[in-house]
This record gives sequence, structure tokens and C-alpha cells, in this order.
Amino acid sequence: DAGVTQSPTHLIKTRGQQVTLRCSPISGHKSVSWYQQVLGQGPQFIFQYYEKEERGRGNFPDRFSARQFPNYSSELNVNALLLGDSALYLCASSDNSGRETQYFGPGTRLLVL
Amino acid sequence: GQSLEQPSEVTAVEGAIVQINCTYQTSGFYGLSWYQQHDGGAPTFLSYNGLDGLEETGRFSSFLSRSDSYGYLLLQELQMKDSASYFCAVADSWGKLQFGAGTQVVVTP
Repeated sequence: DAGVTQSPTHLIKTRGQQVTLRCSPISGHKSVSWYQQVLGQGPQFIFQYYEKEERGRGNFPDRFSARQFPNYSSELNVNALLLGDSALYLCASSDNSGRETQYFGPGTRLLVL
Repeated sequence: GQSLEQPSEVTAVEGAIVQINCTYQTSGFYGLSWYQQHDGGAPTFLSYNGLDGLEETGRFSSFLSRSDSYGYLLLQELQMKDSASYFCAVADSWGKLQFGAGTQVVVTP
């Protein structure tokens, strides 16, 4: 079975632009979470979706938004990019709430110039 | 406020035992998880403790004391491939994970 997949793997944008990151969870998993990981730090929670509904939002500005589709894949959108948005964006899926185990994708490395 | 504290780096030789401590101060605690991340890779799940006590998975063990807001990950029979960052993460009832800053484990020959 395929693991969590994310696209694109790398992305370079300039300040002020918008970006959309995509995630496909493990087959059968209904929960998707998004995390931002800045170099040298632990992942920071951005959003969690379960059964297409937002379950949780981290301490990120409204420039960050996400959604989950009927097939449980998900998109993360970031508007008006800032230099500080440069990071590894990780998607994690789980078959329930994800309290015990989450499976991470390889991430999208975003560089904002 | 909410916080997780873990050492920034630990160095040990092959075959040794390493313990990574994690203390936490969070609301809505459900359980403590441990993840491993190699440079350039994604975090991979190692262990989970929902109740007090020790969980053993091969060479790795994890411990939790809810009353002390403390846990640790024990790495035994260290191998070179164990060189990586290790993160403790607190889960709330909704599955939101809050990660520590990570502990860089360096294994030397």
C-alpha cells in the first residue's frame, strides 16, 4: 500500500504570491493534519481535518487555509507569502483521530524569496 | 502556557544505551508519542504511551508518568542508523500533536 503522498516535493515562490500544497492520505484514513517545520525545530500544528470537517486549527494567521475533499485528500493554501513561510510542510494521516499514531508524508519544501 | 522540554543533543557510541527525557506542560493531554526524523526525511512513528508505564518495541522503549508530566524514550544497542532527531509529542483528545524541539542523537563508532 502506498504511504502518504505530497506534491510538489519542492517549491520556490516570491513574497506576496500564493501557494497550494496537496496531500493524499493512506487509503482508508479519514483524518489529515498539516504541520509546518522550520529548520531546527519540531513540527508545528496548522490544521486537522476529519471526514471533511475542520477539527482543529493551530496558531497560524488567516493567510493559511485548508480543505479536505470527499476522497479524503487535502489541500493547504497559503496566501500573501512571507519570507518566514519558508519551511517544510508536512501532511499526516491517521485512521481515526490520530491521537496515538500519525503517518507523515515526505513533505513539501517551500522556499519564499 | 504549553511547552515540551527535551535535551537538544545526545552523543553516544555504538552499542550504548541512550535515554531522552521529555517534560511537558500542556492542556488536554491524551498521550505522549515519540517520532524519529532523519535529515531530509519525514517523521516516523516510534512509540505511544497513553497510560503510565513502560512500552517496549524492539530496541526502543518509552515510559510515561502522567502525575509527573514526564516521559522518556530509551534507545538500546545503539546503531549508526539511529543517528537522527527524536521528537516527543503530546496529543490532545482531538489528535492535535504538539511537538518538542527535538533531540539530535549522534552515534559514533
